[in-house]
Amino acid sequence: QVQLQQWGAGLLKPSETLSLTCAVYGGSFSDFYWSWIRQPPGKGLEWIGEINHSGSTNYNPSLKSRVTISVDTSKNQFSLKLRTVTAADTAVYYCAREGRVRGVIGYWGQGTLVTVSS
Amino acid sequence: DIQMTQSPSTLSASVGDRVTITCRASQSISTWLAWYQQKPGKAPKLLIYRASYLESGVPSRFSGSGSGTEFTLTINRLQPDDFATYYCQQYDTYSRTFGQGTKVETK
Repeated sequence: QVQLQQWGAGLLKPSETLSLTCAVYGGSFSDFYWSWIRQPPGKGLEWIGEINHSGSTNYNPSLKSRVTISVDTSKNQFSLKLRTVTAADTAVYYCAREGRVRGVIGYWGQGTLVTVSS
Repeated sequence: DIQMTQSPSTLSASVGDRVTITCRASQSISTWLAWYQQKPGKAPKLLIYRASYLESGVPSRFSGSGSGTEFTLTINRLQPDDFATYYCQQYDTYSRTFGQGTKVETK
């Protein structure tokens, strides 16, 4: 059974860097793309980007200049860094994995609320 | 970026109703479309992929249709567990995008 467990700082000040990590338990780590998706309070979902085991990435163009997604295959983990955060980056951040279909999310982490406030 | 627009934003319905949600893409995405259900405080759950393929374990009262730029999610005989927010997502391009969501609430 696939489980994704994520962690990271929940409160940041403007201009700081958001950093989250997601550990994967169960299933293959090398056969899928691993994603980050966020959801501002009371709003819809926004895809941030994805990475595979070899480090190949795709990013949301609107966030690309501030985002880095990395992978540590030795630990079956992947991470998100979002630089120079503002209040607009306040959201629940989810790590996620494709299901059986490329591009479709089949598994989600528990979500981490990240609040940006001075 | 491909923009995904859902309608309506909110839908009031009763148990037993047939409910239809529409999702429109700003350009053709063939059938590279998924639907998710999200309940408050929970991560989304995949319902349908490739526009009309039901994910394993999802009740058959859910169905999807469409291709190109217009898609629909239909829930037949709405059940109490179905009151939730529904999102479409395109995966035609490597920059995935979601619709803004449709909340199905009790009439």
